[in-house]
Amino acid sequence: SQQGEEDPQALSIQEGENATMNCSYKTSINNLQWYRQNSGRGLVHLILIRSNEREKHSGRLRVTLDTSKKSSSLLITASRAADTASYFCATLIQGAQKLVFGQGTRLTINP
Amino acid sequence: DTEVTQTPKHLVMGMTNKKSLKCEQHMGHRAMYWYKQKAKKPPELMFVYSYEKLSINESVPSRFSPECPNSSLLNLHLHALQPEDSALYLCASSQDQGTLAKNIQYFGAGTRLSVL
Repeated sequence: SQQGEEDPQALSIQEGENATMNCSYKTSINNLQWYRQNSGRGLVHLILIRSNEREKHSGRLRVTLDTSKKSSSLLITASRAADTASYFCATLIQGAQKLVFGQGTRLTINP
Repeated sequence: DTEVTQTPKHLVMGMTNKKSLKCEQHMGHRAMYWYKQKAKKPPELMFVYSYEKLSINESVPSRFSPECPNSSLLNLHLHALQPEDSALYLCASSQDQGTLAKNIQYFGAGTRLSVL
């Protein structure tokens, strides 16, 4: 089964609102990353948070990590139509040298 | 240049055909990856090359054959595929597979493969 489970699976909001996506994982990790994928295209790295960090910001993105709950959240503030995409969390599992992707959240921003 | 280039963008092939997917990066990355992605699903890792050596094979059927001719190029040779192999095939690269604290992956736009 996938290491990362994300919720919601789909999210539709109005432009200007904030969007929050959550990711849960099962095993110990070295870091957790978030990627964006526009329809049918490649993935783009957004942000990386290390296992010893609790919060990280990048522009309109805010990521939190709670290793005790094995969960992370991605907040996009002041959403724009261009933010419409699928968002995946990916975990780098301790002892493995590969990323495992969560199921993803499909975000739709309505103008 | 943070670009990973994949060719072709689209490919239609019959079950008896032999074709190849190509991937190229010029970022000096020493780890390269092949992923398979079905619609509305996350990417699934297929192969990892580290310093031009096969590092991970995720039990992929032998009808998929990877090749890494040099540090900039990655190929995926396809032979006798099945219709269920139709998917988006993504190539990615990272600075170093072993750099666990980083390992940010840069993805190509993918090859949309249809097997008839």
